Amino acid sequence: NAGVTQTPKFQVLKTGQSMTLQCAQDMNHEYMSWYRQDPGMGLRLIHYSVGAGITDQGEVPNGYNVSRSTTEDFPLRLLSAAPSQTSVYFCASSLQGAAGNTIYFGEGSWLTVV
Amino acid sequence: QQQVKQSPQSLIVQKGGISIINCAYENTAFDYFPWYQQFPGKGPALLIAIRPDVSEKKEGRFTISFNKSAKQFSLHIMDSQPGDSATYFCAATPPWGSARQLTFGSGTQLTVLP
Repeated sequence: NAGVTQTPKFQVLKTGQSMTLQCAQDMNHEYMSWYRQDPGMGLRLIHYSVGAGITDQGEVPNGYNVSRSTTEDFPLRLLSAAPSQTSVYFCASSLQGAAGNTIYFGEGSWLTVV
Repeated sequence: QQQVKQSPQSLIVQKGGISIINCAYENTAFDYFPWYQQFPGKGPALLIAIRPDVSEKKEGRFTISFNKSAKQFSLHIMDSQPGDSATYFCAATPPWGSARQLTFGSGTQLTVLP
């Protein structure tokens, strides 16, 4: 049971380049989300999805796109990378329902934009 | 705006001591308050959580104290061990909707000295 798997682990991009961070979960969770983690700011929600075909914006969505074509996958796309997007990105998933369902995080993707 | 304020930013404790991390929230609609533990190079993992209908929850050496009227909650780590050295995040989530949108505190880096 792999849980939440993120790829790549590390990536360096040049300003203006685009890329996709992959996220897959094998727990049949309806809810998936992307967070970014920056020093002194905790984790901030970028986008989330409550099921296949349904996505919505979080706290810091600008510069990122997502799609949810299957229950298992939730890729995060950087359209035109900027140095401000240098961060650690975490994908997470959980069952739907009332609060109390554990949210599982992937191990993170370290992105540097130069 | 930061809806969950966490302090201190860093904490150094001797082995066997008590570690205390505090959080305060603003949104009275929050009804689920988890704490996450994150080791370097890993994603956050759920440590312990509490609902506002109880004032305290204990799991092993970890205790959450909750003060609804003051809108504050804290994590106490008894008999702190070097293996507890990690970054700790408090979080909160509202009950509405089907999405699990966590609002995180800024994190506390705990170092337990041997």
